Amino acid sequence: GENVEQHPSTLSVQEGDSAVIKCTYSDSASNYFPWYKQELGKRPQLIIDIRSNVGEKKDQRIAVTLNKTAKHFSLHITETQPEDSAVYFCAASIQGGGADGLTFGKGTHLIIQP
Amino acid sequence: DVKVTQSSRYLVKRTGEKVFLECVQDMDHENMFWYRQDPGLGLRLIYFSYDVKMKEKGDIPEGYSVSREKKERFSLILESASTNQTSMYLCASSPGRSYEQYFGPGTRLTVT
Repeated sequence: GENVEQHPSTLSVQEGDSAVIKCTYSDSASNYFPWYKQELGKRPQLIIDIRSNVGEKKDQRIAVTLNKTAKHFSLHITETQPEDSAVYFCAASIQGGGADGLTFGKGTHLIIQP
Repeated sequence: DVKVTQSSRYLVKRTGEKVFLECVQDMDHENMFWYRQDPGLGLRLIYFSYDVKMKEKGDIPEGYSVSREKKERFSLILESASTNQTSMYLCASSPGRSYEQYFGPGTRLTVT
């Protein structure tokens, strides 16, 4: 089955700086890569996703890049703010009509230092 | 607005008890999922269902079963709870041809 590795497990950055979280996946058939944000005590929520026919996607301060050849994808957050502090999870799946479960990475605890 | 609810936020059970965790979604989603979340391990898929009465094993189905008798409801069953099943359990749902999964608030289960 699919295996997703995520690094780093903890990331501390100064407010206003950029943060980058990296993930690798093992199954070359995976073609859908979402990122979820989980604030303390709350449920995970989708913040951005990318499909394998796209190399990069941006949404305001958040961007995701995908390198299918190397089987890795990354989350980039620019101009970090205190509300960006959370645990971020990457995931991968094979699109098959939306029924497939996601394989998640172990998560990155992002800490924004004031 | 999608709403996924779970029957309990906190649950304490004894070893060997049969445990039912209920999940309900109100958006007519075809797909429903059960994950468990443990510190340092992320979210791991236990079971999922893409239709009423249909179920598929995820990555860690051992010790669990599921039931989906109605489209809006997906139940996770621990036939004989064990201490290593102490965890946060998250339910999620998604529409048939989209891929965003909407999560419930979670049930923190403690087995003593």
